[in-house]
Amino acid sequence: SQKIEQNSEALNIQEGKTATLTCNYTNYSPAYLQWYRQDPGRGPVFLLLIRENEKEKRKERLKVTFDTTLKQSLFHITASQPADSATYLCAPVTGFQKLVFGTGTRLLVSP
Amino acid sequence: DARVTQTPRDKVTEMGQEVTMRCQPILGHNTVFWYRQTMMQGLELLAYFRNRAPLDDSGMPKDRFSAEMPDATLATLKIQPSEPRDSAVYFCASGLTSGGSNTGELFFGEGSRLTVL
Repeated sequence: SQKIEQNSEALNIQEGKTATLTCNYTNYSPAYLQWYRQDPGRGPVFLLLIRENEKEKRKERLKVTFDTTLKQSLFHITASQPADSATYLCAPVTGFQKLVFGTGTRLLVSP
Repeated sequence: DARVTQTPRDKVTEMGQEVTMRCQPILGHNTVFWYRQTMMQGLELLAYFRNRAPLDDSGMPKDRFSAEMPDATLATLKIQPSEPRDSAVYFCASGLTSGGSNTGELFFGEGSRLTVL
């Protein structure tokens, strides 16, 4: 069956460091992969989309990679700040517009 | 500022009662998704629509849940009868697609928190 795996354990890092979050998927062949941020009590907010023919995508302090051979996407936040603390969700886009999310990884950035 | 609007924000009800959640997608968006979020399961896709037509509702318990789009400005999710295990936050999201593939972002509402006693 199709599965999306993100680290269930919270990731704790110091301000200024680079945070790296992992998204692994099995039994999928997504053409795209999206990343979202969710704050407590709020709906997810779109951050980045990467296509299968793109190895890397950047937006300000964010960087996403997409390895279709490893079936993995990595999400990096450089020069992390306490305001980056949130849950980050990945969503491989499969089939006809079907957007299914991983369980998310909680990031905690300490000052 | 365009946004997805969901009502109610919070609902407490008793087991067996009917619950209806409403969503107003962003004007001009042609896809609408319903998700349920719990601590244990994360975000689960319940159903989604394109141009008001249901494309997939395989994630939804058919015996008690129903999802409809009476018009382009309103999507509803109904639970009848509700059960305690339905307690969760229900999110609606809308997006704009073209050419048969979803390359665009989804815009989420703030969610409807449902508690069934």
